[in-house]
Amino acid sequence: AQKVTQAQTEISVVEKEDVTLDCVYETRDTTYYLFWYKQPPSGELVFLIRRNSFDEQNEISGRYSWNFQKSTSSFNFTITASQVVDSAVYFCALLFTGGGNKLTFGTGTQLKVEL
Amino acid sequence: DTAVSQTPKYLVTQMGNDKSIKCEQNLGHDTMYWYKQDSKKFLKIMFSYNNKELIINETVPNRFSPKSPDKAHLNLHINSLELGDSAVYFCASSQVYEGAGGYTFGSGTRLTVV
Repeated sequence: AQKVTQAQTEISVVEKEDVTLDCVYETRDTTYYLFWYKQPPSGELVFLIRRNSFDEQNEISGRYSWNFQKSTSSFNFTITASQVVDSAVYFCALLFTGGGNKLTFGTGTQLKVEL
Repeated sequence: DTAVSQTPKYLVTQMGNDKSIKCEQNLGHDTMYWYKQDSKKFLKIMFSYNNKELIINETVPNRFSPKSPDKAHLNLHINSLELGDSAVYFCASSQVYEGAGGYTFGSGTRLTVV
């Protein structure tokens, strides 16, 4: 069975602080994909990153970076120098291609960035 | 051009009514999905269609019936609406044979049953 755990329900930071959102996943499959989505207050789901299970390289995109570690089944997301516009719910999700390509989501982390 | 578009964006209706939500994608993807987000923000898949064929049907009441007239459209029809059906429904699409590439969501339909 697939499972994604986002243990942090809510995180509050002050602008310009760095913040890391944790994601731990469970799967028995060797081929799978991990995703992060952002859901701002307006409600849409914004794709941030997709990573396949064979690529453990960390990725950086502007102020965003992702740390994928298969040894600990984690795919953590760090925002550097957070901004108020980063305030949103962030979802980690897992997909394995043998399961009809469905995404299994974590419960989300609400990030609040204050001035 | 909107990649995955759903209509309507908001839907308020009375218990017992029947309603439909429409979804269209212009990305050329071969698979479309319906997800439900409940009041606690939990997202769960309901259905998926690949080239008009039902692939996933996740323990959803049979009052919910998806229909895919072609691979660019996936509509969701709900009969005899109940209060518990109130949620945000997201349509999505992806290209299965590119490693789930391009998994894109629509902007959601907020359904309120009163």
